Amino acid sequence: EDQVTQSPEALRLQEGESSSLNCSYTVSGLRGLFWYRQDPGKGPEFLFTLYSAGEEKEKERLKATLTKKESFLHITAPKPEDSATYLCAVQAEGIQGAQKLVFGQGTRLTINP
Amino acid sequence: DGGITQSPKYLFRKEGQNVTLSCEQNLNHDAMYWYRQDPGQGLRLIYYSQIVNDFQKGDIAEGYSVSREKKESFPLTVTSAQKNPTAFYLCASSILTGGIQPQHFGDGTRLSIL
Repeated sequence: EDQVTQSPEALRLQEGESSSLNCSYTVSGLRGLFWYRQDPGKGPEFLFTLYSAGEEKEKERLKATLTKKESFLHITAPKPEDSATYLCAVQAEGIQGAQKLVFGQGTRLTINP
Repeated sequence: DGGITQSPKYLFRKEGQNVTLSCEQNLNHDAMYWYRQDPGQGLRLIYYSQIVNDFQKGDIAEGYSVSREKKESFPLTVTSAQKNPTAFYLCASSILTGGIQPQHFGDGTRLSIL
């Protein structure tokens, strides 16, 4: 069974304190891994897609990396507006057409000023 | 601006009542999806549709029904058979060409039981 596990469940940082969020996955062949940001009471907002081990993507203070078993979302010098829940999702091989994503439970990130 | 519109933002259901959640997109996306989000859990897929007049069950379809009569619209009905309907419901859409494409989400409907 395809599974995605995110850690930690919650993370509290001071403004400017860099850290990483983890997404571990077990799937029968990875087609793509997605990172989303979700603010309270809102829908997830797409951040990155990673396709193969070794790939990296960056956007402002965020950098996502991918290995064969996990992905990291690195946050460099975060600001209070980076506070949100970050979701990881994977799409496995074998599903044609519409995407059946498997989501992790999310990491709730709080950045204190 | 293109996007996905879900309505209403909040919805209350009485015992034995069916309720319908609306989802409309103007992104010209082929596929549409419904997810349920519960506290501390990942999003779980209820139904998805790749094309008009066709849809497939996801992992937790029991107690729910959908229709896809137009490309832009994918309403979800929560029936009285769904015994634990209180949750945050999210609609998403994606294109199906050009390789692996991300799903884009609406801002959700929060359903509660009276």
